[in-house]
Amino acid sequence: DQQVKQNSPSLSVQEGRISILNCDYTNSMFDYFLWYKKYPAEGPTFLISISSIKDKNEDGRFTVFLNKSAKHLSLHIVPSQPGDSAVYFCAARPVDSNYQLIWGAGTKLIIKP
Amino acid sequence: SQTIHQWPATLVQPVGSPLSLECTVEGTSNPNLYWYRQAAGRGLQLLFYSVGIGQISSEVPQNLSASRPQDRQFILSSKKLLLSDSGFYLCARSRDMGGEQYFGPGTRLTVT
Repeated sequence: DQQVKQNSPSLSVQEGRISILNCDYTNSMFDYFLWYKKYPAEGPTFLISISSIKDKNEDGRFTVFLNKSAKHLSLHIVPSQPGDSAVYFCAARPVDSNYQLIWGAGTKLIIKP
Repeated sequence: SQTIHQWPATLVQPVGSPLSLECTVEGTSNPNLYWYRQAAGRGLQLLFYSVGIGQISSEVPQNLSASRPQDRQFILSSKKLLLSDSGFYLCARSRDMGGEQYFGPGTRLTVT
């Protein structure tokens, strides 16, 4: 049973527009959420995170929104750039675990010129 | 700066052969270390994690094993590879458990 779901396997966005990547979770007992970016044949790189006590965190072109009532997390990238083309993973940390991250399956973002 | 090295970058091995993947970390002491596998089109599956030398916890029962002979060295092994062991293997570290994890470049393993 997937506790963290990224329902869109891929997303195509025009350069300069906003990219919105979505993530849903089924377990209320997550206290920390993270977004990672991955290029082919490379390890994921940490992008941005948000604590469950917040509903928004912003870092440059990247903003993460957390809607706890809907159990929904989203990553906004604006403006989108060609270098943003990659696979994006969301991950969640369970409250009762001090080591584990639960990962989504990823969404491939393609930025069109 | 803190760096994670993994080698080899790619590996093709026949079914039944042994495996040894190595991960070393620079620039930090007593890191928490992780081994993940990403199968094609899937998310990251945690295989092992370690909080210190000789301390290994397994998440998924399988024919893989891990060892941590030194503080900054984490090794993933198998005595006999299966076809289902093919995937992209990633080593990661974190300063504390459950915090941001930082990944190495990965090893692409193909079992034929």
